[in-house]
Amino acid sequence: EVQLVESGGGLVKPGGSLRLSCAASGFTFSSYTMNWVRQAPGKGPEWVSSISTTNTFIYYLDSVKGRFTISRDNAKNSLYLQMNSLRAEDTGVYYCARAAAGLGVWGQGTLVTVSS
Amino acid sequence: IVLTQSPGTLSLSPGERATLSCRASQSVSGNYLAWYQQKPGQAPRLLVYGGSLRATAIPDRFSGGGSGTEFTLTINRLEPEDFAVYYCQQYGSPPYTFGQGTKLEI
Repeated sequence: EVQLVESGGGLVKPGGSLRLSCAASGFTFSSYTMNWVRQAPGKGPEWVSSISTTNTFIYYLDSVKGRFTISRDNAKNSLYLQMNSLRAEDTGVYYCARAAAGLGVWGQGTLVTVSS
Repeated sequence: IVLTQSPGTLSLSPGERATLSCRASQSVSGNYLAWYQQKPGQAPRLLVYGGSLRATAIPDRFSGGGSGTEFTLTINRLEPEDFAVYYCQQYGSPPYTFGQGTKLEI
């Protein structure tokens, strides 16, 4: 079964850091571009970052550039998002999603709450 | 690229046809436009990619169309499970923006 499982979310104070992980199974992880997408409470999805199969192409949403870093470990079938200098507006559910003509596979999400 | 969806809310009955619109502020490269369905507490589900191609296991009552800056999602013969929020997304040029959504309600 194709599956993505996120972890690492939680409550953090403004200015703090978190590292999200996404474990992939059921498919050849190294063959797919991967993405992080977030969704603030009551809002629509917002694309955050994308990383190609061999890290050649990495893109970020402008508002997270310089604060977030996406990475992957193809040997461990894992995707990561290092989030630093967190702000209240970063609060939301963070999903990892597999890209192949649209985002066809999503995880269940992990909740990040930035609050003092 | 800014994606603007209309209407914000669409009220219809089972059996009717729904037409959702997604307008882009500039042409979507390669027609790389996707539609998603989202229900409360769930992740979005891919319905259509490439503007008009149905994703795996999506019923044929869902159809996508359009090109350039104007795209539509049509849902024929609405079923009770189709009432949800729908989003378009362009994945042709980063940042891969989403529209603000259309809520389809009974």
